[in-house]
Amino acid sequence: GENVEQHPSTLSVQEGDSAVIKCTYSDSASNYFPWYKQELGKRPQLIIDIRSNVGEKKDQRIAVTLNKTAKHFSLHITETQPEDSAVYFCAASINWNYGGATNKLIFGTGTLLAVQP
Amino acid sequence: EAQVTQNPRYLITVTGKKLTVTCSQNMNHEYMSWYRQDPGLGLRQIYYSMNVEVTDKGDVPEGYKVSRKEKRNFPLILESPSPNQTSLYFCASSPSGTGMDQPQHFGDGTRLSIL
Repeated sequence: GENVEQHPSTLSVQEGDSAVIKCTYSDSASNYFPWYKQELGKRPQLIIDIRSNVGEKKDQRIAVTLNKTAKHFSLHITETQPEDSAVYFCAASINWNYGGATNKLIFGTGTLLAVQP
Repeated sequence: EAQVTQNPRYLITVTGKKLTVTCSQNMNHEYMSWYRQDPGLGLRQIYYSMNVEVTDKGDVPEGYKVSRKEKRNFPLILESPSPNQTSLYFCASSPSGTGMDQPQHFGDGTRLSIL
């Protein structure tokens, strides 16, 4: 079945440094890759997403890269700040037409990012 | 305000006592989904619905039921809860009903404890 692996499970960086979280997916049909941030006790919230027809996307200090051949995608956070501390989840979806197969979203197991002041 | 509302937020109950967690969204979204979140396992999809009267199993559907009689509501039913269903549950919705390629909006979560 479909699977998303996420590494590392924990990441500690100094404020101002960069952080990189990597995910690999198993199903070559996956074509949508969102990243969610979950602060302690809160709901997951989308921070950035990328579709399979794009190799890279940026939004201020956050960027996501996608390598379809290798089936992996990464989240890059530059100039980290203490408020970036949270759990980050990657996910991969399969976008099939209704009447086809599944319309599921498979999540990675999460990365706890700690930004030390 | 656009939102996904889950109730209750917290529930402690006993094995075998049927319970329902409600989920309602006010964004006219077609796609709705339930996830459970467990330490070290991330978010796992239980069931999803692409539109009214259309539901399908996610990765961990055993022990759960859902229904989608109205577009805005997607309740999660545990007919005979067991301790291994103790978890944090999230409902989510997204605009698209025919493809899972749009951001999902999550509710605030329901923490269930089954004794």
